[in-house]
Amino acid sequence: DIQMTQSPSSVSASVGDRVTITCRASQGISTWLGWYQQKPGKVPKLLISAASSLQSGVPSRFSGSGSGTDFTLTISSLQPEDFATYYCQQANSFPLTFGGGTKVEIK
Amino acid sequence: QLQLQESGPGLVKPSETLSLTCTVSGGSISSSSYYWAWIRQPPGKGLEWIGSMFYSGSGYYNPSFKSRVSISVDTSTNQFSLRLTSVTAADTAVYYCARHRSVYYYFDYWGQGTLVTVSS
Repeated sequence: DIQMTQSPSSVSASVGDRVTITCRASQGISTWLGWYQQKPGKVPKLLISAASSLQSGVPSRFSGSGSGTDFTLTISSLQPEDFATYYCQQANSFPLTFGGGTKVEIK
Repeated sequence: QLQLQESGPGLVKPSETLSLTCTVSGGSISSSSYYWAWIRQPPGKGLEWIGSMFYSGSGYYNPSFKSRVSISVDTSTNQFSLRLTSVTAADTAVYYCARHRSVYYYFDYWGQGTLVTVSS
């Protein structure tokens, strides 16, 4: 199985801050990497697929990069509605696996 | 607009079988483009993929569930189902049904989720 490791597990930031979340795969997955946002009590929402492809309707302040084993999700200017938990997911092979999540909290 | 909705008991006794159904509306479960999946999330914890099934009955399971899990697809009712046997308290979670493409394994549509508690 491919293990996905996210860091940090939580981050405190202020509105307007730039936030970067890292996801590392235990083996190379090319760009088969997705990012999800989950707000408390809500359903996860796919933000980015193929490491850097923004889903329709997702604000451009979100961006993804990386390939192989190391990936990042960047929020260029944090907005109040962005406080949530973010998960990466490898889509390279079964079993599909998620990272442990990064909670973005208000500073 | 595609919609998925989970249904099933919210309380299951230890050692019994958890059974959930996901009803798909706004699209056909028989599409050759998609897999139908189950994902769970224990309270306060992360996401865990359980398995994915094609309309034809072929699919994949998370090996961590060993032989406890099965997913079936019913094209006549546009539903798919999850069965998890011999449950314990560790199986208490919000269970989501979801969809991903047959080539790109990203979950683009999700149900609202249903909390299943395992307790006597």
